This record gives sequence, C-alpha cells and structure tokens, in this order.
Amino acid sequence: KQEVTQIPAALSVPEGENLVLNCSFTDSAIYNLQWFRQDPGKGLTSLLLIQSSQREQTSGRLNASLDKSSGRSTLYIAASQPGDSATYLCAPYTNAGKSTFGDGTTLTVKP
Amino acid sequence: DTGVSQNPRHKITKRGQNVTFRCDPISEHNRLYWYRQTLGQGPEFLTYFQNEAQLEKSRLLSDRFSAERPKGSFSTLEIQRTEQGDSAMYLCASSPRTGQYEQYFGPGTRLTVT
Repeated sequence: KQEVTQIPAALSVPEGENLVLNCSFTDSAIYNLQWFRQDPGKGLTSLLLIQSSQREQTSGRLNASLDKSSGRSTLYIAASQPGDSATYLCAPYTNAGKSTFGDGTTLTVKP
Repeated sequence: DTGVSQNPRHKITKRGQNVTFRCDPISEHNRLYWYRQTLGQGPEFLTYFQNEAQLEKSRLLSDRFSAERPKGSFSTLEIQRTEQGDSAMYLCASSPRTGQYEQYFGPGTRLTVT
C-alpha cells in the first residue's frame, strides 16, 4: 500500500525567500507524480506533473524534482510571495489509475 | 473548456438521509475519479472510472456508497443512510485519454451531516 509523507507539515517564511517542500512515498512503482496547490475550502489546482522517466519539471518560479528509486520528490519555490500562501499536496500515481495524497504542507508567506 | 464542475457545492442533511452528488468532467476526458477529504488531511481515493467502467474501488467505499458513470459522461456519487462521519469534502477529478493522466479537479461538494 502506497504511503505518502510530506515534511514539514507547516512552514512560515518572509516574502522573497526560496523554499523547498518535501514529499516521500513508499512504493516506487509509480507512473507519474503531481504537485497541487489547495486554497482553504477550495478544490485542487495542478502545479506540475513529473513523469516517472523525468528528473525535473519547471513552471515559472516552481521546480519539481523526482527521485523515483529513493521515493522522493521536492518542490522548490523561488522568490516566494504572499500569494503563494496555500497548502501544497503531492500525489504519486500508479499504473492502476490511483493517486495517493500526502496530508500536505501549509505554507504562509509573510509580507 | 469549462473545467470540472460539481453540484451541489454545499449539502446539509440529517443523519439517515440519502444524498447524491454530481460531477461533470472536462469534455472528452475518459477517466473520472472521486476522492473524499476531511479537514487537515489530503484527499483519499474512493473510486475511478475509465469511460463507463468502474475500474477500482477503495475499501473506504462501504456498502452505503455507490458511484455510477452512465454513458461515460457525468458521474454521480450516492451515499445512503448518511452518518456524521460522512461529513467531508467530496472531490471529483478527470484526466484525458492520452498523455500522462494529469488530473484536473473540480471545486468539490461540502457535505455536512447533522
């Protein structure tokens, strides 16, 4: 059974700081891994998808890496802004068509 | 492309009543997923469809839960004899038939059982 852990559970940083969010998973037989953002009371917004054969994926100030063999992914956010405040979730996806989510990292960026 | 839509957005019901939620996926997305999310936790997988076929179902989906996707378009999730523990956000997502199965989520249905 896939288990996903996200560390830290919460993070508070001043505006402008670079930061790294961590995701680890127990079953490395994944098809891809998706990072999402969730604002309070809302649905999930897809940020980045990394295929199992890729090591990195970039979108604007976001960079996600994947080390499938060690069961780890990181999300790097450059030059953080108050608008980045949200909960960030990672979800590895298996060939069976199932995603398992971590409990997320709640990020607060202070002006 | 109007995105994934879910109705209703909020539902308050009394314990023991039946409720039904609807999800309309992005058009031409053949995969549709249901998740349940409680406060402070990540979404938990409930079930997924490829076209009209329900291919996987979580053990979380007890006998009181049923999902359908007639004709491979919209989907419904029904909960019978609701319990207070069913209070949660119910999320629907869809993904396209080609590519990497990137999931796109709807806004969710918030269920409160009193």
